[in-house]
Order: sequence, then C-alpha cells, then structure tokens
Amino acid sequence: AQRVTQPEKLLSVFKGAPVELKCNYSYSGSPELFWYVQYSRQRLQLLLRHISRESIKGFTADLNKGETSFHLKKPFAQEEDSAMYYCALSGQGTDKLIFGTGTRLQVFP
Amino acid sequence: DAGVTQSPTHLIKTRGQQVTLRCSPKSGHDTVSWYQQALGQGPQFIFQYYEEEERQRGNFPDRFSGHQFPNYSSELNVNALLLGDSALYLCASSSPIAGASIGELFFGEGSRLTVL
Repeated sequence: AQRVTQPEKLLSVFKGAPVELKCNYSYSGSPELFWYVQYSRQRLQLLLRHISRESIKGFTADLNKGETSFHLKKPFAQEEDSAMYYCALSGQGTDKLIFGTGTRLQVFP
Repeated sequence: DAGVTQSPTHLIKTRGQQVTLRCSPKSGHDTVSWYQQALGQGPQFIFQYYEEEERQRGNFPDRFSGHQFPNYSSELNVNALLLGDSALYLCASSSPIAGASIGELFFGEGSRLTVL
C-alpha cells in the first residue's frame, strides 16, 4: 500500500533550536518525495523535493531508501517557519500526490 | 497572475443534494487535479484532468465526477451528498510544459463544503 506517515501532529520549539519533522513512506517502486508547506492564511505550496537536493529557506531533506524516510530538517528554527508541513510522495512520471496527515510546527520567540 | 482560483469559497448543502465546485488553473497550466481534505487530515487525491479527460483517479466513488473545459478550467461534481463529504476541496494545477516540475502543484485556497 502506498502511504505517507507523519507521526507528529505538533512540534513546538524555541527560536534558534534545531528542527526535524519526520516523514516515513511505504511505496513499491521508486517514489518521488516532496515537502509542502502551508503558512497561516496562505495556500498550500511546494517547499522542496528530494530530486532537487536543494535547501529552501534553510530546510533540507534527505531521502533514505533503507529507512524509507524523508525527514525535513533545519538547524536553527525561525518564528516565520511556523506553519503546517505536509510530506507527500508520487510515483515516477506522475504528479498524483499522496499526502501525510501533516505536522504543525510552532516556533516560539 | 491570480494563480489557481476556486469558487465558491464556502457552501452549505444538505444530505442527498448535489454540488458543483469550480476551478480556474494558473495561467499556462493545462492539468487540473482535485483533492479532498477532511479536518485534521492531509489532502486526498480525487482525480486529475488533462486534455478534457480524466487521466487518473483516486479511491472515490462514482458520486464524484468532474469535467475539464477547453480553456483548462474544471468542475468537480458530487451527487447524493453524505455527511462525510464535508471537507475542504482543493484544486491544483500543473504543467511540465509551463515549467512546473513533476509533483510541483499550485493549489487554490479551496472550497469548504459543509453537509448538514
């Protein structure tokens, strides 16, 4: 079964602390993994994708095929990072996305 | 560019009724996908339209149907509404030709449907 699991509904940290939002997946084949973010009163938008191996707003995510994980990390959280984060996967060549249930990140000053 | 626009933003229906939601994709995009987001859940894929045809479909009953028009805009229709259909319905557009990569979807703000 194709599934994305985000075990934490809420993650609260103080500004400057490291952040790791967990994502595990189940997929038979070679999926493409993404992180989408929704800031307050804004629409859902793409943050980053594993295939690009890029850092966006200080966030990085490494695909670990052995552990079937795609955790999102940032070494020093900022207040403006407070948002809802969704991990998602798609099969190769398709943009049908399977989303996790999301993790709300709260960064306190 | 207004991005993806959806209408209406909110609506209330009663069980058994039918509803039509509308979506205009981002300029230059030719593919439209619909997602259902129940409270506290992530978006769930309903179906995708390309070249006026349903290209992919998720695990939703036939009560959910759609349409894409020549100008790439799309409608989502739900018949015989159930209480469980209450959710935020998101439209997303994409197009590799327009520079969007696979998996890069541009979402609208959604239509919130309440079924009483």
